[in-house]
This record gives sequence, structure tokens and C-alpha cells, in this order.
Amino acid sequence: AQSVAQPEDQVNVAEGNPLTVKCTYSVSGNPYLFWYVQYPNRGLQFLLKYITGDNLVKGSYGFEAEFNKSQTSFHLKKPSALVSDSALYFCAVRDRAGGGNKLTFGTGTQLKVEL
Amino acid sequence: NAGVMQNPRHLVRRRGQEARLRCSPMKGHSHVYWYRQLPEEGLKFMVYLQKENIIDESGMPKERFSAEFPKEGPSILRIQQVVRGDSAAYFCASSPLSGTGVPNEQYFGPGTRLTVT
Repeated sequence: AQSVAQPEDQVNVAEGNPLTVKCTYSVSGNPYLFWYVQYPNRGLQFLLKYITGDNLVKGSYGFEAEFNKSQTSFHLKKPSALVSDSALYFCAVRDRAGGGNKLTFGTGTQLKVEL
Repeated sequence: NAGVMQNPRHLVRRRGQEARLRCSPMKGHSHVYWYRQLPEEGLKFMVYLQKENIIDESGMPKERFSAEFPKEGPSILRIQQVVRGDSAAYFCASSPLSGTGVPNEQYFGPGTRLTVT
């Protein structure tokens, strides 16, 4: 079975400061990993994905994520946060072996960026 | 290129009625997924379909819920005899066919918010 943990329900950060949203995963094999963002009353928007190769993945809106196999983590980062980054962020995993095409999502982390 | 379209955006049903949720995937996408989001929770996978085929329905409740993706027309998620616990946001996602086995990202629609009174 595959699972995702987002240990923080909410992350607060000042505009201009770096931000990190944490994600750890569990799969039986090797993972495909994704980050999505959800604005109020909207669907999820794709930010970035890790498939293979370089552990540092760059995505939309200046976001990046680092895959760490030994720590089974895929934390989302941004060097300088904007107020407009305030939203709900979801990490998702798909097991390469036997996971089918379904994504398993974490419970989400609410990011609040303040002036 | 229009994104994933879902309708209606909001649906109110009384207990015991039927709810039909529609999803039109992005142009060129042949895979459709349905997810449910309960308040204060993440998205839970329900079903994965390709045209005229249910590929994985491991997340579907055993009773009252069904899904289809016909050769022509949108994908339909059908909930019979709705109960208050069915109140949630239902999201549809689509992805193109991957010829390499490496997954493409899923693109999500705006969701249908079902309220059962």
C-alpha cells in the first residue's frame, strides 16, 4: 500500500522568506511523486513531479522539491514566498510497482504567507 | 485548449435522491479519474476509467456508487439514494495516454460540491 504524510496542517511564513512544506511517503517500490496546489473553491493545479533523475525538481511559480530516498521525503520549497502563494498544498505519490494509475494524497498543508 | 470541465459546480440533493456528476476530460486525454474530498481531508481516489472500461474501482463504495466513461460523451459519476455522508467535493481528473509507462500528471477539474439535505 502507498501512503503520504504531511505532518504540518499549517505553515506560516513572512513574505520574502523561504518556505518549506514537508512531505514523506511510503511505497513498496520506487515512487512517482507530485505536488499540487488548491486555491479556495478551485480544483487542484499541478506544480511539479519527480519521476527519475535529478533529485531537485523545479516546477511552476518558482517552486521546487527535493527527493530524498533515504529519508523517503519530497519537501516542497520556494526561496522567497509571496502572499499570493497562500493556498492549500497537497503531496501525492504513485507506486511504480502495482500502484496502478491512482494517486494517493496527503491531507494537505495550508500555507499562509503574511506581509 | 479547455481544461477539465465538470458540471454542475454545485448540486443539492435530498436524502434518497440520485446525484449525477459529469466530467469532460481535456481534449486528447483518454484517462479519467474521480476523487472525493471530504471537509478538512485530502483527496481520496475512487475510480479510474478509460473509454468504455473501468480500470480500477478500488476506492468506490460497494453500494450506490457507479461510474462510466462511454465512447461518446462525458464521464458520469452516479450516486443513488444519497445520504448526508455523501456530502463532499467530487473532483475529476484526466491525463493523456502514456506510451512509455511513465505517468503523466493528472489535470483536475474545478469539482462538484454535493450537498445532501
